[in-house]
Amino acid sequence: AQSVTQLDSQVPVFEEAPVELRCNYSSSVSVYLFWYVQYPNQGLQLLLKYLSGSTLVESINGFEAEFNKSQTSFHLRKPSVHISDTAEYFCAVTNTDKLIFGTGTRLQVFP
Amino acid sequence: NAGVTQTPKFRVLKTGQSMTLLCAQDMNHEYMYWYRQDPGMGLRLIHYSVGEGTTAKGEVPDGYNVSRLKKQNFLLGLESAAPSQTSVYFCASSFVFDPPLEQFFGPGTRLTVL
Repeated sequence: AQSVTQLDSQVPVFEEAPVELRCNYSSSVSVYLFWYVQYPNQGLQLLLKYLSGSTLVESINGFEAEFNKSQTSFHLRKPSVHISDTAEYFCAVTNTDKLIFGTGTRLQVFP
Repeated sequence: NAGVTQTPKFRVLKTGQSMTLLCAQDMNHEYMYWYRQDPGMGLRLIHYSVGEGTTAKGEVPDGYNVSRLKKQNFLLGLESAAPSQTSVYFCASSFVFDPPLEQFFGPGTRLTVL
């Protein structure tokens, strides 16, 4: 069975600082990996996804994630965060028709 | 283009009462999903539908029923609400089912069962 672990439930950072949100998964087969973002009082939105090919994937708002097969990780990074990045971030995995979500990491950006 | 909409946004029920949550999408997506979100547990799939007139159980289906009479609507029913069903409920839809390349989510319904 697949599972996703997001070790950090909350990550507080100051504006313009770098951030890394960690995601590890367990699966015995090849998987597809996703990061979704949930802004306050909204539904989830797809931030980026890894399906195949380049192990580094980027979003339009400066986030990037690297698929590391040997470490079964898909950590999300941003070199300089903004106040507007304050949100909850969910990592998800699948190799079938169902998404398995992690428990989420709340990113709080302070001025 | 409204995307995925959910009604109501908030609801308070007493134990044993029933209610229906409505999800509507205007993207002509074939596939629709109902999730619940609980603190420290992420999102868990309740039921899903692969097309009009079809439904299937997800990870946590007990205590819920669903119907997909029209392609654009997906209803989630609670026949006899219990406090354990206090949660935030999200509906989602997608164009591709396997794998789920991108799911589009509604804004959620916050349900409290007293």
